Amino acid sequence: DAKTTQPTSMDCAEGRAANLPCNHSTISGNEYVYWYRQIHSQGPQYIIHGLKNNETNEMASLIITEDRKSSTLILPHATLRDTAVYYCIVTYLSGSARQLTFGSGTQLTVLP
Amino acid sequence: ETGVTQSPTHLIKTRGQQVTLRCSSQSGHNTVSWYQQALGQGPQFIFQYYREEENGRGNFPPRFSGLQFPNYSSELNVNALELDDSALYLCASSRKPGGSTNEKLFFGSGTQLSVL
Repeated sequence: DAKTTQPTSMDCAEGRAANLPCNHSTISGNEYVYWYRQIHSQGPQYIIHGLKNNETNEMASLIITEDRKSSTLILPHATLRDTAVYYCIVTYLSGSARQLTFGSGTQLTVLP
Repeated sequence: ETGVTQSPTHLIKTRGQQVTLRCSSQSGHNTVSWYQQALGQGPQFIFQYYREEENGRGNFPPRFSGLQFPNYSSELNVNALELDDSALYLCASSRKPGGSTNEKLFFGSGTQLSVL
């Protein structure tokens, strides 16, 4: 299973872009990169996912390097409500179930 | 569209007891996964249920068991509780089990279990 490495914590000023990096150097060709976030006392929330092309949705953009060994989640205009733990995940198959293997994530703090 | 709901929100048990946690999946979802999240750590996969059968399991002992009902709701049962079982237990639902890497999970807010 591919493992991910993320910084433990990051700060970002409100209104600025937040760029969260993730390394996944052992990712295999058919594994997707997923990003979830968890606001305190809530369950994780899906943000975005991708295979090899860059992706954008209403919440964020995902930039995956050409060799797929790393990616960056971009929150274009961070708000205080974006303060959360952000998890970069590469999918893992357990039996016939696709589980998410969470690491420790990055604690993003958006500062006023 | 109804989201994933879990009950109870908080629970206190003593070591050796048994506990049952409940989860109602999001409307239209037929697959339920359970995760355990210890304090300060990321969630860890326990198992997944599809068509009322377990179809994938993480590194958890047999005293962690589950059920899925015809309406796709699910229960997580833990026997012989240990102090280390104290954690947030999260339920997640999805439309499909493991067949598609495009499938995303929708999580409930969890049940906080404290074992004394």
